Amino acid sequence: SAVISQKPSRDICQRGTSLTIQCQVDSQVTMMFWYRQQPGQSLTLIATANQGSEATYESGFVIDKFPISRPNLTFSTLTVSNMSPEDSSIYLCSVAGGGPRYEQYFGPGTRLTVT
Amino acid sequence: AQSVAQPEDQVNVAEGNPLTVKCTYSVSGNPYLFWYVQYPNRGLQFLLKYITGDNLVKGSYGFEAEFNKSQTSFHLKKPSALVSDSALYFCAVRDYSTYSGGGADGLTFGKGTHLIIQP
Repeated sequence: SAVISQKPSRDICQRGTSLTIQCQVDSQVTMMFWYRQQPGQSLTLIATANQGSEATYESGFVIDKFPISRPNLTFSTLTVSNMSPEDSSIYLCSVAGGGPRYEQYFGPGTRLTVT
Repeated sequence: AQSVAQPEDQVNVAEGNPLTVKCTYSVSGNPYLFWYVQYPNRGLQFLLKYITGDNLVKGSYGFEAEFNKSQTSFHLKKPSALVSDSALYFCAVRDYSTYSGGGADGLTFGKGTHLIIQP
């Protein structure tokens, strides 16, 4: 399985500011995803990060709030823009092979607190 | 649309006893099913998956799961629980019939079940 790292591991941010989270994988992967997990709760898919094109967002998530970049097959960023306390959550990067049979592997997460 | 239900918020089992964590799913096509475990302050770890073939799949740490198409279930099991199995367990599904090869093909997760193994 791929080794996935995320930066930062945690941060405390002021309301109205933005934070960019980085996800680095130690090998080329076909699929990269971003999830949100509120403390003690389930994971919700934010978007699929597409290499060389715009990300595909799930219902309820928009590009202006969560812009995503994926410049190559090993790296992606998620920005949480104009943050509010409701954005306090754990943000997880995930990778998978290019077919539906592949399991996803998850990074350690970024714990974000907005004050 | 696809969905996953984990009907129990918490399951308590005595060490050495068998354990079951329940999961049911809903998809319009064919399901690919997954179990993940999350230990405190750690990331999600993949346990096992059902893709096709034998309905009983074996995974990491002695866990197994049984796919039951008629009951749309994929319960996680272990014959003898360990205290170290205590964690948060997630069931997830991907509907193969909606897989596009690109775009939004992530997993849909259940809400999770806290498994507590008592010494």
